[in-house]
Amino acid sequence: GENVEQHPSTLSVQEGDSAVIKCTYSDSASNYFPWYKQELGKRPQLIIDIRSNVGEKKDQRIAVTLNKTAKHFSLHITETQPEDSAVYFCAATPNAGGTSYGKLTFGQGTILTVHP
Amino acid sequence: KAGVTQTPRYLIKTRGQQVTLSCSPISGHRSVSWYQQTPGQGLQFLFEYFSETQRNKGNFPGRFSGRQFSNSRSEMNVSTLELGDSALYLCASSDGTGGAKDGYTFGSGTRLTVV
Repeated sequence: GENVEQHPSTLSVQEGDSAVIKCTYSDSASNYFPWYKQELGKRPQLIIDIRSNVGEKKDQRIAVTLNKTAKHFSLHITETQPEDSAVYFCAATPNAGGTSYGKLTFGQGTILTVHP
Repeated sequence: KAGVTQTPRYLIKTRGQQVTLSCSPISGHRSVSWYQQTPGQGLQFLFEYFSETQRNKGNFPGRFSGRQFSNSRSEMNVSTLELGDSALYLCASSDGTGGAKDGYTFGSGTRLTVV
């Protein structure tokens, strides 16, 4: 089955700096890669996702890049703000039917702290 | 549109008891997936239901079961509770077509504590 590794486990930055979180996956059939932000005591919220037919996607201060050959994808947050502090999870899924239906395989999470 | 609704938000149960959790997906979504979140194991997939049928199952013991109703609402049941079942149980709603047009939207979860 799919295995997703996420690094770093903790990341501390100053307000205004950039933050980068990296994930690798094992299943070459995976084709959908979402990123979730989870604040303490709250539900995971989708912040950006990318599908295998594109290499990069941006949404304001957030971007995700995907390298299918190397099987890794990364989350980039620019101009970080204290409210960006949360746990971030990457995930992957083949999303193409069979045993992949509904199953996201998650990384272990990155605790991002943005200091004012 | 209304989000994903999970009830109850909190539960405290005793070892050996059973528990039923509920999830109502986004209107129009027919797929509901369930996940267990713990500090040690992270987010782990339990199972997925689509049109009242279980299509996919994770690596959890048979004490964990679920079902889905004709209105797409889903329930999961855990029997003979163990201390290790203490976790946040999350459900995720999607269109279920495999193309994930809308992605997967999570509910706020049910925090289960087994004592």
